[in-house]
Amino acid sequence: EPEVTQTPSHQVTQMGQEVILRCVPISNHLYFYWYRQILGQKVEFLVSFYNNEISEKSEIFDDQFSVERPDGSNFTLKIRSTKLEDSAMYFCASSAQGAGKNIQYFGAGTRLSVL
Amino acid sequence: QKEVEQDPGPLSVPEGAIVSLNCTYSNSAFQYFMWYRQYSRKGPELLMYTYSSGNKEDGRFTAQVDKSSKYISLFIRDSQPSDSATYLCAIPQRSSNTGKLIFGQGTTLQVKP
Repeated sequence: EPEVTQTPSHQVTQMGQEVILRCVPISNHLYFYWYRQILGQKVEFLVSFYNNEISEKSEIFDDQFSVERPDGSNFTLKIRSTKLEDSAMYFCASSAQGAGKNIQYFGAGTRLSVL
Repeated sequence: QKEVEQDPGPLSVPEGAIVSLNCTYSNSAFQYFMWYRQYSRKGPELLMYTYSSGNKEDGRFTAQVDKSSKYISLFIRDSQPSDSATYLCAIPQRSSNTGKLIFGQGTTLQVKP
């Protein structure tokens, strides 16, 4: 069964460092997403990506964040200068369809710990 | 009012019990409704999705939507210890052109053997 894969499963970094979280979406999907879940809180939308550009982003997704699809399979989230409050689980998701019947499949997540 | 609200629980039931998990939402324009299951430190796993009102059944799971009350439910029959997880309701935001999901807080369920 196709699945979304994320690497690494756990990333530890020092405050102020740059991190790149990687995702391989399901191969025939066209819409890609990043969500974040701070421990004990809701899963929150960060950004959606379609046709090689950002479609929508939340207020959380400020200038410190960027996304890229560097090739036909990978989808990355970069945090330029990490802050303590960036510590969270980051989930990548993909779907075949955008609005409407938008069934999103999630990866297992990357746990980011900023020290 | 929050767009999607869900009682975080925790909810503890004995094995074999019928479990009822619920969410309320504020926007009557929402049309698709999803339930995800999330095991500890794992990603959300899609369980079921429904469109508009009514019931949808899949094995031991039944999803129910009452659009007049803006209320969605997930019922688990003959609950098993392996059902112990956090259950998240999620709704694609209709005004979003890429269907970003709005999640409820999640209800933590423990099924005791």
